[in-house]
Amino acid sequence: GQNIDQPTEMTATEGAIVQINCTYQTSGFNGLFWYQQHAGEAPTFLSYNVLDGLEEKGRFSSFLSRSKGYSYLLLKELQMKDSASYLCAVSMIYNQGGKLIFGQGTELSVKP
Amino acid sequence: EAQVTQNPRYLITVTGKKLTVTCSQNMNHEYMSWYRQDPGLGLRQIYYSMNVEVTDKGDVPEGYKVSRKEKRNFPLILESPSPNQTSLYFCASSPTGTGFYEQYFGPGTRLTVT
Repeated sequence: GQNIDQPTEMTATEGAIVQINCTYQTSGFNGLFWYQQHAGEAPTFLSYNVLDGLEEKGRFSSFLSRSKGYSYLLLKELQMKDSASYLCAVSMIYNQGGKLIFGQGTELSVKP
Repeated sequence: EAQVTQNPRYLITVTGKKLTVTCSQNMNHEYMSWYRQDPGLGLRQIYYSMNVEVTDKGDVPEGYKVSRKEKRNFPLILESPSPNQTSLYFCASSPTGTGFYEQYFGPGTRLTVT
């Protein structure tokens, strides 16, 4: 079966760095997405990794190791507005097309 | 503005009363999908469509129907809603169904079935 694990909750301090981990066991792996979702709002795209390594985008970076089934999202210089749920999603080859399987999300609270 | 729209945004209904949630995208995307989001369960796919007239079941299709007669629209139909379909629903679209592109999400529809 398909399985994606990420921590349920994390707390960090404004200005700090936080790393949100995601491990997955899926078949037909296309790539891994990270989305941000504020309470009651739609998920918004943060990053996409298809090859091993680090992708950097401003304060956000995402890392992928395909051999280990592991990814992390790194948030630097945390701001209060970064308080949100962070969703790890694996893109799989499915029925000749793509399918996105989501983890349950990590609720990040940023404290002053 | 490139966007995915959903209507209604909020809906309270009673068991058994048929309803339709509309979804429309203006980005000429081939791929569209419906998800439901429940506490502790994350986003789960209900149905998806690779292109016009091509739809398929996701992980939780029971109790739902969809159609894709036009590229831009992908309505979700609940023929006989039940309380276990109370949830937050999101429509999403993507340029193709290959899985290599991000999905763009609509604002969500919060449905309560009493």
